[in-house]
Amino acid sequence: DIQLTQSPSFLSASVGDRVTITCRASQGIGSYLAWYQQKPGKAPKLLMHTASTLKSGVPSRFSGSGSGTEFTLTISSLQPADCATYYCQQLYSHPLTFGPGTRLEIK
Amino acid sequence: EVQLLESGGGLVQPGGSLRLSCAASGFTFSSYSMSWVRQAPGKGLEWVSAISAGSDHIHYADSVKGRFTVSRDNSQSTLYLQMNSLRAEDTAIYYCVHCSGGICLQKWLDPWGQGTLVTVSS
Repeated sequence: DIQLTQSPSFLSASVGDRVTITCRASQGIGSYLAWYQQKPGKAPKLLMHTASTLKSGVPSRFSGSGSGTEFTLTISSLQPADCATYYCQQLYSHPLTFGPGTRLEIK
Repeated sequence: EVQLLESGGGLVQPGGSLRLSCAASGFTFSSYSMSWVRQAPGKGLEWVSAISAGSDHIHYADSVKGRFTVSRDNSQSTLYLQMNSLRAEDTAIYYCVHCSGGICLQKWLDPWGQGTLVTVSS
């Protein structure tokens, strides 16, 4: 099974900050990585797929990069609405796996 | 607009069974793979199962293999998850998710239903 790790697990940042979350895979997964945002009490929502393609309607302050085993999700200018937990997911092979999540708090 | 509406959750005793349903609308259900993902209280996301559009390819997480069965009725645009031999660790919100890739590989999972809570407790 492909394991995903995320760092940091918790992040506290100020409005306007540039924030980066890293996701690492235990083996190469090409670009078959997605990022999801989950707010408390809500279902996850897709932000990014195939590592760097922003879902339509997602603010352009979100960007993704990487391939192989290392990926990043960047928020260029943090907004209050970005307070959430972020998960990466590999879609390279079954079983599909998620990273443990990064909880993002606004200072 | 794609809509996924789960139902069937509730309280069940350890060793019991439960059947979840997911009613889909807003897209051609019979053309897409579907998946179940769960989230234990206060925990992260755990993928549970995936089923191809024609039910010819099915995958399960090791944690549920042999106990859970995924199925679908394309004529009713409905996805199911039959859960047997339930354990306390199966307590979670169960989400029904639309897959954009074949057997949910290579693309993304979107959108997600609102989830249904399964509680396994005596």
